[in-house]
Amino acid sequence: DVKVTQSSRYLVKRTGEKVFLECVQDMDHENMFWYRQDPGLGLRLIYFSYDVKMKEKGDIPEGYSVSREKKERFSLILESASTNQTSMYLCASSWPQRGVDNEQFFGPGTRLTVL
Amino acid sequence: GESVGLHLPTLSVQEGDNSIINCAYSNSASDYFIWYKQESGKGPQFIIDIRSNMDKRQGQRVTVLLNKTVKHLSLQIAATQPGDSAVYFCAERLEKLTFGTGTRLTIIP
Repeated sequence: DVKVTQSSRYLVKRTGEKVFLECVQDMDHENMFWYRQDPGLGLRLIYFSYDVKMKEKGDIPEGYSVSREKKERFSLILESASTNQTSMYLCASSWPQRGVDNEQFFGPGTRLTVL
Repeated sequence: GESVGLHLPTLSVQEGDNSIINCAYSNSASDYFIWYKQESGKGPQFIIDIRSNMDKRQGQRVTVLLNKTVKHLSLQIAATQPGDSAVYFCAERLEKLTFGTGTRLTIIP
């Protein structure tokens, strides 16, 4: 079974803190994604990566950055957390098919609260 | 324009009955569709998918119907069980996946 794991299930941070959310997948997927999920808004794509050291902005990249140093690991960074970044963060990975998304496998999510 | 979404945000169904969850998608050129299930506190899980060259696909207790004429997708769950309680959302692909907002399905014992 594909497994996507996220470093924390729940996280509480203070405004201005630097926050790291880690995601690891064990199926040798080339594609990895970071989403945030808010009530009534569905999944919104923050950043994605189709290869190591490669990253592309999604629909809402402002206030976030990412790092993909190894194929299995994709990190989401909040440089200076703000209260409007309180959300559920979901990581996903998918089969290698450049330029086209396939079925995405999701991690359990990290619920981040910024105070 | 329209966005991927669902007609009803909540749906309550008696245990043992069949459920139908609907989704209106936005782009007639979308070539692939997925239904996901998300239980409380968990990440979304793949249920079933369908390609645009098909009208119907069946899985175990689930059936997805695709009506390209009206850009409509539905998920039918047969003989619902308490474990089917979750949020269900669809996704369409036009190179990239776009996700709907979801319908919360509640199974009444």
